[in-house]
Amino acid sequence: QMQLVESGGGLVKPGGSLRLSCAASTSTFRDSYMTWFRQAPGRGLEFVSYISAGSTYTNYADSVKGRFTISRDNARSSLYLQMDSLRADDTAVYYCARGARFQLYYFDSWGQGIQVTVSS
Amino acid sequence: QSALTQPASVSGSPGQSITISCTGTSSDVGGSNFVSWYQQHPDKAPKVVIHDVSDRPSGVSNRFSGSKSGNTASLTITGLQAEDEADYYCSAYRSSSTRVVFGGGTKVTVL
Repeated sequence: QMQLVESGGGLVKPGGSLRLSCAASTSTFRDSYMTWFRQAPGRGLEFVSYISAGSTYTNYADSVKGRFTISRDNARSSLYLQMDSLRADDTAVYYCARGARFQLYYFDSWGQGIQVTVSS
Repeated sequence: QSALTQPASVSGSPGQSITISCTGTSSDVGGSNFVSWYQQHPDKAPKVVIHDVSDRPSGVSNRFSGSKSGNTASLTITGLQAEDEADYYCSAYRSSSTRVVFGGGTKVTVL
């Protein structure tokens, strides 16, 4: 199991930017697909983005494409989500998660979640 | 609109068994050996309880089991306990670029 700790959330105005970070506890981070999910108040889990181990492959939900950018620093065992042009409907708890078995078959480690609120 | 369809709620009395369905298509649930289920208690992170359709991670109670038939996967909880009251999400791996799809979640209530 990998411990994951998110940071960087908070309150931001519509149109603003925020950068989330996710720190991993083990060196297997560098070999793992990593993902961001989010959960709006009272809603279900929503996939946001994933990135492959070597950053070769990335993918985004249609709702964030062109506004969010996922990246990682394997030397620092850290995952990032740069969120620009934020909208009210981006308000959610954001989770980072690890793809198990170095793939995206399922997610065996999750962070505790970080609140992002977009409001004027 | 979630890619996979789950009932909004399922309930049962302590000791009973319940089953949650998860319906997709031949591109995800039907064509994948990688269906997983997650349990989420209020204000907590999700936790995988079933992966690869029917495998249980170490530490997960054997009261949880998974299966699949065609485009529908199922999670069964036997001997329902108060601690099982939570939201449950199914997920399937797709070979397309989308890769990850989720259901809308099912709220399990222990009566």
